[in-house]
Amino acid sequence: AAGVIQSPRHLIKEKRETATLKCYPIPRHDTVYWYQQGPGQDPQFLISFYEKMQSDKGSIPDRFSAQQFSDYHSELNMSSLELGDSALYFCASSFSATNEKLFFGSGTQLSVL
Amino acid sequence: AQKVTQAQTEISVVEKEDVTLDCVYETRDTTYYLFWYKQPPSGELVFLIRRNSFDEQNEISGRYSWNFQKSTSSFNFTITASQVVDSAVYFCALSEANYGQNFVFGPGTRLSVLP
Repeated sequence: AAGVIQSPRHLIKEKRETATLKCYPIPRHDTVYWYQQGPGQDPQFLISFYEKMQSDKGSIPDRFSAQQFSDYHSELNMSSLELGDSALYFCASSFSATNEKLFFGSGTQLSVL
Repeated sequence: AQKVTQAQTEISVVEKEDVTLDCVYETRDTTYYLFWYKQPPSGELVFLIRRNSFDEQNEISGRYSWNFQKSTSSFNFTITASQVVDSAVYFCALSEANYGQNFVFGPGTRLSVLP
């Protein structure tokens, strides 16, 4: 079965650069979530979208923005990168009507040098 | 606000031993969902189980079993006859109805199974 696909798997950037992470949810899933997991930390919720509209917002810095497109894929845009942004970024998707579990992608490992 | 506590930061066992990972949660909602996810060294989050607050039946899946006790707000996870491949970080998570900000992970327990 198709899973949540994230790209790229690894990304290396320098301070003050920008990065774009992409997430393709499981087909028919209408909700996408972004999480940030720092080294040795638990995943922290950043933002979510339902039917292409922002549905909830967590600890997402103002330097980050995200959106969900008409094909339900989502992109997380990160600008003015800082060393502290180095983390594993997970995307998850779910089908809201069934309130089932979150399906997570394999994550994008972002390293800011 | 909801909260998940996993008091065991790291556990080491020898292969074939049984091990229990503790999870204690806090919530004011009467409807909520509890999860366990496994994060192996490769980094992905692997779903293990989802349990809703109205279903207190314990569950067994192969070498894995879960003990949900509402009276003590606990949702413990036991691995029987542990194997080296079980080595991972295990996260307990809680969701109050809707996900998003309401899907909260515990700090995780790092399990090392030694040969």
